[in-house]
Amino acid sequence: AQRVTQPEKLLSVFKGAPVELKCNYSYSGSPELFWYVQYSRQRLQLLLRHISRESIKGFTADLNKGETSFHLKKPFAQEEDSAMYYCALGDSNYQLIWGAGTKLIIKP
Amino acid sequence: DGGITQSPKYLFRKEGQNVTLSCEQNLNHDAMYWYRQDPGQGLRLIYYSQIVNDFQKGDIAEGYSVSREKKESFPLTVTSAQKNPTAFYLCASSSLVYGKPYEQYFGPGTRLTVT
Repeated sequence: AQRVTQPEKLLSVFKGAPVELKCNYSYSGSPELFWYVQYSRQRLQLLLRHISRESIKGFTADLNKGETSFHLKKPFAQEEDSAMYYCALGDSNYQLIWGAGTKLIIKP
Repeated sequence: DGGITQSPKYLFRKEGQNVTLSCEQNLNHDAMYWYRQDPGQGLRLIYYSQIVNDFQKGDIAEGYSVSREKKESFPLTVTSAQKNPTAFYLCASSSLVYGKPYEQYFGPGTRLTVT
């Protein structure tokens, strides 16, 4: 079954500390994975996609096919990173399968 | 923010009444989607459409209906058959050009409360 799991509903870290939001997936084909972010009072928006291997706002995510993971990382958290983060998997019908989301709180 | 609009922002209805949520986009996107967002459950797909006059059921289509008469518009009707309609509804669109179908653009959402 196709599934995306974000094991942490809430993650709270101090400003300047490293951040890792976990995402695991289950998919039989070649996965396309994404991280979307929803800041307070803003729209849900694409943060990054694994295929582009880019760093956005200091965040990176590496696809690990062996561990079926796509964890989102940032070495030094900033207060403006506080948001809801969703991991999503693209299926063969151009649909996104969504994780339940992780609320990230950065403490000052 | 332009691109994709949803109206109204808040909607209140009595149980037993149908209600229609509006979604419009000016991005010339082929595909449009309706999601329901509940706390702790992520986004669940209600309906999607990849071309005018065609749409497909998502994971939780029961109690909902849609139409796609124009490329720009994809209204969602929450019918009285929907058992638990109170929720936050998100509309999205995407281009089906190679490399882009998963890059979905979201509207601001409509919060529906049914009492």
